Amino acid sequence: EAGVAQSPRYKIIEKRQSVAFWCNPISGHATLYWYQQILGQGPKLLIQFQNNGVVDDSQLPKDRFSAERLKGVDSTLKIQPAKLEDSAVYLCASSFVGEAGDTQYFGPGTRLTVL
Amino acid sequence: AQSVTQLDSQVPVFEEAPVELRCNYSSSVSVYLFWYVQYPNQGLQLLLKYLSGSTLVKGINGFEAEFNKSQTSFHLRKPSVHISDTAEYFCAVIPSPNFGNEKLTFGTGTRLTIIP
Repeated sequence: EAGVAQSPRYKIIEKRQSVAFWCNPISGHATLYWYQQILGQGPKLLIQFQNNGVVDDSQLPKDRFSAERLKGVDSTLKIQPAKLEDSAVYLCASSFVGEAGDTQYFGPGTRLTVL
Repeated sequence: AQSVTQLDSQVPVFEEAPVELRCNYSSSVSVYLFWYVQYPNQGLQLLLKYLSGSTLVKGINGFEAEFNKSQTSFHLRKPSVHISDTAEYFCAVIPSPNFGNEKLTFGTGTRLTIIP
């Protein structure tokens, strides 16, 4: 079974530029998550989708971050404009149903460096 | 809200020695508990999880963890470590169903380094 795919793996941009990350979850998984992992910290949930609807985006900086999950499969996370503090690894995860006890399966992440 | 404390940011251990990685949590409601491992340049992988039942949970790669409700702890153990266990380990907690916002909260991680 294929895992969660993410691209690109690495991205370097200058502040005020825009960037987009792509995620393809495990086939059949209804729930998709985007996490931000800053160096030295644990992952922090940015947004959670159930199929193509948003369940939780309370920690998403909506003035600069946006995300969509068209057709309930792939998802894109965008930052516009980027700030220095956005340097982090962005992890995508998926789970079968999205219940509390579900295992979340993580992709390899996209390492973003903002100069 | 829930919080997770991993007091040890780094733990060096000799190969074939036992190891314990500590995790304490804070929550006003019942929770489910998880341990994830992150190998260099990879995403997180589930080691084990506690949902209910026996407080001793066995996971992959020879790891186990014990849920202690009175001490609000969920420490991870392995009797004999291998070089391949070198990684970052994250403890995480989520409210059990019907207790509202079901968001996974992670600790800051413990970097386990195995010394040959």
